[in-house]
Amino acid sequence: SAVISQKPSRDICQRGTSLTIQCQVDSQVTMMFWYRQQPGQSLTLIATANQGSEATYESGFVIDKFPISRPNLTFSTLTVSNMSPEDSSIYLCSVEGQGAVDEQYFGPGTRLTVT
Amino acid sequence: QKEVEQNSGPLSVPEGAIASLNCTYSDRGSQSFFWYRQYSGKSPELIMFIYSNGDKEDGRFTAQLNKASQYVSLLIRDSQPSDSATYLCAVNSLIGSGGSNYKLTFGKGTLLTVNP
Repeated sequence: SAVISQKPSRDICQRGTSLTIQCQVDSQVTMMFWYRQQPGQSLTLIATANQGSEATYESGFVIDKFPISRPNLTFSTLTVSNMSPEDSSIYLCSVEGQGAVDEQYFGPGTRLTVT
Repeated sequence: QKEVEQNSGPLSVPEGAIASLNCTYSDRGSQSFFWYRQYSGKSPELIMFIYSNGDKEDGRFTAQLNKASQYVSLLIRDSQPSDSATYLCAVNSLIGSGGSNYKLTFGKGTLLTVNP
């Protein structure tokens, strides 16, 4: 499976500010995904990011709050804008596998605390 | 709303026992089913996938799928304390119509504790 890295691994931010999370993959992938995992909860898909097209957002997530870039086949960023304490969460990127069953592999995550 | 349901647990088993984790899903069009293991403070790790009815074995892990009942399970034989983690069931579903884009929907996970 691909090696996925995320930066930063964790951050503490003040409300009203923005944070950009980077996701880097060691091989080219078509589809990348961004998830949020709130404390004690499961994973919620924020958006799907395909290279060369606009990100597709899930219900409840909007581009103004979570703008995503996908400049090439190995890199993506997620920005959490105008943060509030409710945005405190773990943010995970994932990439599609190379198999035929749509599996995904996850990066190590970014733990965000908003004060 | 496509849903994936799991018992939240915690499920506690003694070392060496069989742990049985269950999952039901609502989307009859789903084709692929996944089990992820997530240790506390870590990201999810894919441990099994299955897409055909029946059983699939990989070492101490067996995934079972019954599409008619919309049910998928994971058995862990000879459970070890290192198996203590949250197990997430995930199901794929197509996005939109006529395309090949998909997404995974995750259950809330079952916390498994294996006691020495």
